[in-house]
Amino acid sequence: SQQGEEDPQALSIQEGENATMNCSYKTSINNLQWYRQNSGRGLVHLILIRSNEREKHSGRLRVTLDTSKKSSSLLITASRAADTASYFCATALGQAGTALIFGKGTTLSVSS
Amino acid sequence: NAGVMQNPRHLVRRRGQEARLRCSPMKGHSHVYWYRQLPEEGLKFMVYLQKENIIDESGMPKERFSAEFPKEGPSILRIQQVVRGDSAAYFCAARGGSTDTQYFGPGTRLTVL
Repeated sequence: SQQGEEDPQALSIQEGENATMNCSYKTSINNLQWYRQNSGRGLVHLILIRSNEREKHSGRLRVTLDTSKKSSSLLITASRAADTASYFCATALGQAGTALIFGKGTTLSVSS
Repeated sequence: NAGVMQNPRHLVRRRGQEARLRCSPMKGHSHVYWYRQLPEEGLKFMVYLQKENIIDESGMPKERFSAEFPKEGPSILRIQQVVRGDSAAYFCAARGGSTDTQYFGPGTRLTVL
């Protein structure tokens, strides 16, 4: 079974709306990272949040982490058509540098 | 992900041939990870290398797959006697020693005919 699972699998919104994606995981983590992947392209790192952090911001992105619920959320505010992509959460379980475990992703479609 | 180079970007092989995928991390990033992505799936970890050493190969199939990261030159993921099920996108990620963030290359899309 997946360590990280994103919810929803797909999300369609209008430009200007906010998009919220959730990620749940099963075991204790060292950190959790969010990535974006445009169709047929590589992954772009968005933000890393450590297990002792609860919230981080980067531009229009806001990530929260609730270790008691083993869940994280990614909020994109004031979405743009260019935000259309797949978004993945990835967890690092052990010491720094261990491999990442990815979920299946949320496909976000932003229409203008 | 600027700086991590992968080549080729697309590779077509017939069943039974060998595939060699290359990854050149940016300078100073001596930790390399290989991941495989099947269609409509997330990435699955394969192997973690740090200059000349394999740190974790728990995600590598036991047969036909091998990886190396020599002192000089790129990291190589080698797939011998490819089968149709090997068709996937293979991504390389690199990390510096003082950070947890992995930076991904553009990937190599392998198609086995």
